[in-house]
Amino acid sequence: DVKVTQSSRYLVKRTGEKVFLECVQDMDHENMFWYRQDPGLGLRLIYFSYDVKMKEKGDIPEGYSVSREKKERFSLILESASTNQTSMYLCASRLGLNAFFGQGTRLTVV
Amino acid sequence: AQTVTQSQPEMSVQEAETVTLSCTYDTSENNYYLFWYKQPPSRQMILVIRQEAYKQQNATENRFSVNFQKAAKSFSLKISDSQLGDTAMYFCAFMKGVNTNAGKSTFGDGTTLTVKP
Repeated sequence: DVKVTQSSRYLVKRTGEKVFLECVQDMDHENMFWYRQDPGLGLRLIYFSYDVKMKEKGDIPEGYSVSREKKERFSLILESASTNQTSMYLCASRLGLNAFFGQGTRLTVV
Repeated sequence: AQTVTQSQPEMSVQEAETVTLSCTYDTSENNYYLFWYKQPPSRQMILVIRQEAYKQQNATENRFSVNFQKAAKSFSLKISDSQLGDTAMYFCAFMKGVNTNAGKSTFGDGTTLTVKP
């Protein structure tokens, strides 16, 4: 089975902290994605990557950056966390038509 | 830009009955893919069913089937013989193509389905 693993299920961080959310997939997928999930807003794409060191902005990239140094790992970085970044973050990887999701990280910024 | 609309924020159904979740989308593309994903309370999102726009036949996966109306840009999900394990949030999603923008998808806002015993 394909596995997409997010490093934490729950995180609590302070305003202004630099936050790293890690995502690892074990199936050599080229395409990886970071989404933010908020009630009533569905999933919104933050960033995606189609190869190592290749990344593109999604629909809501402000306040975020990403890193993809190795094919299996796609990291989401909050440079200076703010309370409006409190949310559920979902990582996904895709091979062809099949997308696989991680279990999600619920981030609370206080 | 594509948009996906799920007009039913919440729905409920009795166990063993049938329920239909609605989804409409807006696109100028002719070839694309549509998906229904399920996110149970445990949160791991999984694919329920997929429809290729070039196929006229509606997709079916066991108790799950879709009603794909390309001209109307409608893509509803029917769940037959509902089970307690079907309780989840369901997302409708649109994708232009596998090789377009890494296959990124546009999601609806989700419908929370509760199956009652």
